[in-house]
Amino acid sequence: QKEVEQDPGPLSVPEGAIVSLNCTYSNSAFQYFMWYRQYSRKGPELLMYTYSSGNKEDGRFTAQVDKSSKYISLFIRDSQPSDSATYLCAPSDSNTGKLIFGQGTTLQVKP
Amino acid sequence: DAGITQSPRHKVTETGTPVTLRCHQTENHRYMYWYRQDPGHGLRLIHYSYGVKDTDKGEVSDGYSVSRSKTEDFLLTLESATSSQTSVYFCAISESGTGAFGYEQYFGPGTRLTVT
Repeated sequence: QKEVEQDPGPLSVPEGAIVSLNCTYSNSAFQYFMWYRQYSRKGPELLMYTYSSGNKEDGRFTAQVDKSSKYISLFIRDSQPSDSATYLCAPSDSNTGKLIFGQGTTLQVKP
Repeated sequence: DAGITQSPRHKVTETGTPVTLRCHQTENHRYMYWYRQDPGHGLRLIHYSYGVKDTDKGEVSDGYSVSRSKTEDFLLTLESATSSQTSVYFCAISESGTGAFGYEQYFGPGTRLTVT
């Protein structure tokens, strides 16, 4: 079993929809929860992160972590075609100090 | 791509040949990383460096070696390339190794390597 599981999609939604992207994990030592966005044929870029449990909002994006159920979520409100990308969750392992990447969910927002 | 370049950007090579990929940064960040990205696996850490001449293994280091003789350059070498090393390779940098500054990694544009 992988430490971080992420549905690869693809997920296709109409413009303006609310998008929910999710990951589950198994390691209780995960501490920081990063979300990276990767456009086609580009390197990933950090979108936002949370530390431990709770919510964090940044514009149209909200990151949520529930450590009790080991569930990570990223919500995108009013989705735009420019949001079409692959989204990678990447929790950090406090024992090794390393990021563990999910395989990514590919999102397509149709105009 | 935050002052990170990778070379070459594309390479096709034959099984058994040595290959070296280069990562160059202009940000003066201490930490540098090499990842590979494959369908179904996401990004996996190959090796990383925490300073000049200071390197350590990652999750999938077999068949790879690295060197860092200058702060700005981090080289990844496949001593004898195999078809299983066909992948997209990304270099990343960060200011520190842990905490928010460590996990905020900046990625290069990637190198597409095909081993035939």
